[in-house]
Amino acid sequence: QSALTQPASVSGSLGQSITISCTGTSSDVGGYNYVSWYQQHPGKAPKLIIYDVTKRPSGVSNRFSGSKSGNTASLTISGLQAEDETDYYCCSYTSSTTYVFGIGTKVIVL
Amino acid sequence: QTQLQQSGPGLVKPSQTLSLTCAISGDSVSSNSASWNWIRQSPSRGLEWLGRTYYRSKWYNDYAISVKGRININADTSKNHFSLQLNSVTPEDTAVYYCARDANSENWFDPWGQGTLVTVSS
Repeated sequence: QSALTQPASVSGSLGQSITISCTGTSSDVGGYNYVSWYQQHPGKAPKLIIYDVTKRPSGVSNRFSGSKSGNTASLTISGLQAEDETDYYCCSYTSSTTYVFGIGTKVIVL
Repeated sequence: QTQLQQSGPGLVKPSQTLSLTCAISGDSVSSNSASWNWIRQSPSRGLEWLGRTYYRSKWYNDYAISVKGRININADTSKNHFSLQLNSVTPEDTAVYYCARDANSENWFDPWGQGTLVTVSS
C-alpha cells in the first residue's frame, strides 16, 4: 500500500486561506468517505481535526474544513494563524481493511 | 475522557522482539464498538498503520501487509490494556510507536498515546 500523496509544504500569509491536497486511488480515498486529517506539532502525537472527509470533532476550530473529489481529498485552513504552522497528515481506510496515511505537509505561515 | 498511556523499552537489539503496552483509562479494551490500533512514525516511512485488535463477541485482528507474519496485537481484559509485539526487528523498525483508539470503528483515530521512541540497535 503506497502512502497517499501530499505536497511537502504549503505556505500562506496570516489571515489567508490555504488548501492541502491528499491524493490516493479508488481503493482508498476515492472508494470510501473515510478520510481523516491530523495535525501534529513537533514532539507530540497527532491530533484529529477532520473525520469522514468533512466532519469536525468537538473543540476543533471551524477554520478547518475538509472536502473530497474523486481520488483527492483536501483540507482547507481559513483565516491562517501563527499557531497553524505545523505538520498535517491525511489518512484513509482502504479496501484491504487497513489504513494508509499521507506523507505529510508542512504548513508555513508567512 | 479516554486516555492512553504507553509503556515499554526504548531500545531493542536486532533480531529480537519489540514489545509495547497501551493502558486504557476511560474506556474498555473489550468494548463492542471500539478498535485498538498501533501506528508508527519514522522519517523514512512517515506514519504507518500497523494493525488493530477489537472485540465483537470474540477477538479479531487486522495487520498491515508490511509487518504481517512478524506482528501480534493482543488485549488483556484484566488489566484493560493492549499490547504490540513485533518480532525479528531490524534497524528499519526504528520509529516512534503510537497506540490509538477508533472509538466506534468509524475509521479515525482519537485519542492517541503519547508515543514511544523505539530504537533498534546493538
